[in-house]
Amino acid sequence: ETGVTQSPTHLIKTRGQQVTLRCSSQSGHNTVSWYQQALGQGPQFIFQYYREEENGRGNFPPRFSGLQFPNYSSELNVNALELDDSALYLCASSLEVIASRQYFGPGTRLTVT
Amino acid sequence: GNSVTQMEGPVTLSEEAFLTINCTYTATGYPSLFWYVQYPGEGLQLLLKATKADDKGSNKGFEATYRKETTSFHLEKGSVQVSDSAVYFCALRPYGGSQGNLIFGKGTKLSVKP
Repeated sequence: ETGVTQSPTHLIKTRGQQVTLRCSSQSGHNTVSWYQQALGQGPQFIFQYYREEENGRGNFPPRFSGLQFPNYSSELNVNALELDDSALYLCASSLEVIASRQYFGPGTRLTVT
Repeated sequence: GNSVTQMEGPVTLSEEAFLTINCTYTATGYPSLFWYVQYPGEGLQLLLKATKADDKGSNKGFEATYRKETTSFHLEKGSVQVSDSAVYFCALRPYGGSQGNLIFGKGTKLSVKP
């Protein structure tokens, strides 16, 4: 039990739609990172937020965006969904940007049809 | 660029067998190295880590040693249990990188039979 929760657990969307995934970090953790894990692959870093500002981004297009709120929750938004966006989306929180470890949530499984 | 390569799975072992999962990496400078474990239906959990050459990370009977000369971080356990069945990911954090910017291998699925 990491104290990091994500919602919803599963989601099915149609190509071209928009989706919002939510994450609730551990209390006091001011840094959250989002990852995309395609089936049979390792997680890939999407971006990181620190104190409500984007603080690093992986190789993902601008249609992937995020928000972080003062109450330790955050969102991942994906516009114009593509079939290849089907994946498990993981969020991970940590106490600081350079922290000894980060804590992962169980993920949201997104299926795009 | 930075990358992690780990042995293909699945790996099937009998209980009490010896486990080795190979992991090699490509990176500039001195990355930090990690092993994460993902149990069915759960998120990733940090298993162990090493932050400099010759460091040995250990946890729950698992060990891995940071070998700069061979750019490797192989995971070992002397006697596996059924409860160790999971997917194991090797990962690196580039030198100077933030905690979030982890680069993962593709994962190795381990099944332990009674």
